[in-house]
Amino acid sequence: AQSVTQPDIHITVSEGASLELRCNYSYGATPYLFWYVQSPGQGLQLLLKYFSGDTLVQGIKGFEAEFKRSQSSFNLRKPSVHWSDAAEYFCAVGSGTYKYIFGTGTRLKVLA
Amino acid sequence: DGGITQSPKYLFRKEGQNVTLSCEQNLNHDAMYWYRQDPGQGLRLIYYSQIVNDFQKGDIAEGYSVSREKKESFPLTVTSAQKNPTAFYLCASSKRSGTDNNEQFFGPGTRLTVL
Repeated sequence: AQSVTQPDIHITVSEGASLELRCNYSYGATPYLFWYVQSPGQGLQLLLKYFSGDTLVQGIKGFEAEFKRSQSSFNLRKPSVHWSDAAEYFCAVGSGTYKYIFGTGTRLKVLA
Repeated sequence: DGGITQSPKYLFRKEGQNVTLSCEQNLNHDAMYWYRQDPGQGLRLIYYSQIVNDFQKGDIAEGYSVSREKKESFPLTVTSAQKNPTAFYLCASSKRSGTDNNEQFFGPGTRLTVL
């Protein structure tokens, strides 16, 4: 069965520090992979997506993610975190049909 | 501006009452979705619709109903049969389901509280 695991429920980093949020998936075929960000009480905004091709994907707001098939991972990274990046981040896997499977989210706190 | 609107933003309901959450999109998307979000559980699919006058149950459809009479609109009714309806509800849409580029766009959400 398809699944997505985000092992870190909470992460705290200092402003200006680098960030890596982990995402592992279980899926039998080539997955479509997404990272979304959610501010409190708001909807989800797409940061980046991977369908095929280059395994290093650039997104909005300075984020990037790398697809590693051998590790079944799609980790999100940012070289220097800004206070405005504090939010909840969701990884999702899709199969090209209607169904996305979402991870349980990682809440990011940024220290000034 | 194209996008997805959900109304109301906050909704309070007494136990035993049905309530309808609105979702409208002007993106000309064929597919629309309803998700429920609870703390620590991610998003769970309630219903989805790939085309007007057609919809399918998702993973947690019990106690919910939907309609898709217009392409732009996909209202969700939370019925009194839903045992634990207090949650944050998110509506989404995509160009088509079953295609490569079926990125889902999300509305701002409705927070439903049962009193």
